[in-house]
Amino acid sequence: LAKTTQPISMDSYEGQEVNITCSHNNIATNDYITWYQQFPSQGPRFIIQGYKTKVTNEVASLFIPADRKSSTLSLPRVSLSDTAVYYCLVGEGPGSGNTGKLIFGQGTTLQVKP
Amino acid sequence: DAGVTQSPTHLIKTRGQQVTLRCSPISGHKSVSWYQQVLGQGPQFIFQYYEKEERGRGNFPDRFSARQFPNYSSELNVNALLLGDSALYLCATREGASYNEQFFGPGTRLTVL
Repeated sequence: LAKTTQPISMDSYEGQEVNITCSHNNIATNDYITWYQQFPSQGPRFIIQGYKTKVTNEVASLFIPADRKSSTLSLPRVSLSDTAVYYCLVGEGPGSGNTGKLIFGQGTTLQVKP
Repeated sequence: DAGVTQSPTHLIKTRGQQVTLRCSPISGHKSVSWYQQVLGQGPQFIFQYYEKEERGRGNFPDRFSARQFPNYSSELNVNALLLGDSALYLCATREGASYNEQFFGPGTRLTVL
């Protein structure tokens, strides 16, 4: 499974847009890119997933360049409640044969300041 | 809708003991995965079960075992506990074996003394 690299930590201020970039140079053709958010003492929560180009939902956008060797999670106008650890994962996409195995790295700790 | 539930929420055991952790999936979810999260690190995959069969196993010793019941709930068993087994144990469920988002429970905090 492809290994991901992302910054250990980031700081931001309320109201700013935050972009967290993840590197995944060895991504496979059928791999999808997924981002999870985790608050202390809670389980991770799915944020967004994509395969290529741009995906947007009500909480975030995911930008994936054509070579798919990196991706950027964009959080618009962050608030204090967005302080959390954000994980970038690369792995199995649709298909009845996949195992559901998620490979988490250390994640990026985002600290939003007032 | 009830989310993924796990029990107990906290547990304290001593070295050498055995522990059983339980997970109830969201209604309609047939796949259950277990993860171990040591403080300061990301979750590490232990097992995945789908339709009561093991579909994936992470790099954990045989002291770790799991099973899934006909109602799709699951148990994780850890024998001969070591201090290093102290962690947050997370259960994640999803509808099927193919891709879709996984929903995590709140976890069970296991402390081994």
